[in-house]
Amino acid sequence: EIVLTQSPGTLSLSPGERATLSCRASQSVSSSYLAWYQQKPGQAPRLLIYGASSRATGIPDRFSGSGSGTDFTLTISRLEPEDFAVYYCQQYGSSSTWTFGQGTKVEIK
Amino acid sequence: EVQLLESGGGLLQPGGSLRLSCAASGFTFSSYAMSWVRQAPGKGLEWVSVISGSGVSTFYADSVKGRFTISRDNSKNTLYLQMNSLRAEDTAVYYCAKVFYYDSSGKAYDCWGQGTLVTVSS
Repeated sequence: EIVLTQSPGTLSLSPGERATLSCRASQSVSSSYLAWYQQKPGQAPRLLIYGASSRATGIPDRFSGSGSGTDFTLTISRLEPEDFAVYYCQQYGSSSTWTFGQGTKVEIK
Repeated sequence: EVQLLESGGGLLQPGGSLRLSCAASGFTFSSYAMSWVRQAPGKGLEWVSVISGSGVSTFYADSVKGRFTISRDNSKNTLYLQMNSLRAEDTAVYYCAKVFYYDSSGKAYDCWGQGTLVTVSS
């Protein structure tokens, strides 16, 4: 079973700053199977990035994803007030199981 | 507009059973695999189960295997999760999610319901 480890656990930044979130897999993950989600308090998660680097419909271009193998990154180029939330990476495994990272909280500094 | 609406959550004692439902609309339900994902209070997301569009194939997380059963009724555009032998650690908000296909084999969840809370406590 692939384990996804996200870092840092919490990222304290100010609006306008750049956020860099990491997702590391315990073994190599196909880039096609890596996604990122945003979740705000009291809301369901929302798909941001799929296939490691493709933005989902309606996602602003300040969100970008990159990486391959075991190391993946979600970057928010300039934080807007609505971007403060928890972010999860997720992979779809070859055994038809799914795994989420434990999440990174982006909070206002 | 794609919509998913869960129902059936509640408070029950350890060892009890419950069936969750997820009513889908706005897309051809039978063409898409569907999943259940849960989130314990204050915790992260945990994948629970997935079912193929036809309902033939199902997969489960080890934590629920043998206790939970996912199913669907494509004539009613409804997804189900039958939960038996419930434990305190099953307490969570349960979300249904629609699988989004991309490239040749990529999958992600592009639509989520609002969730339904299941509390297992004596």
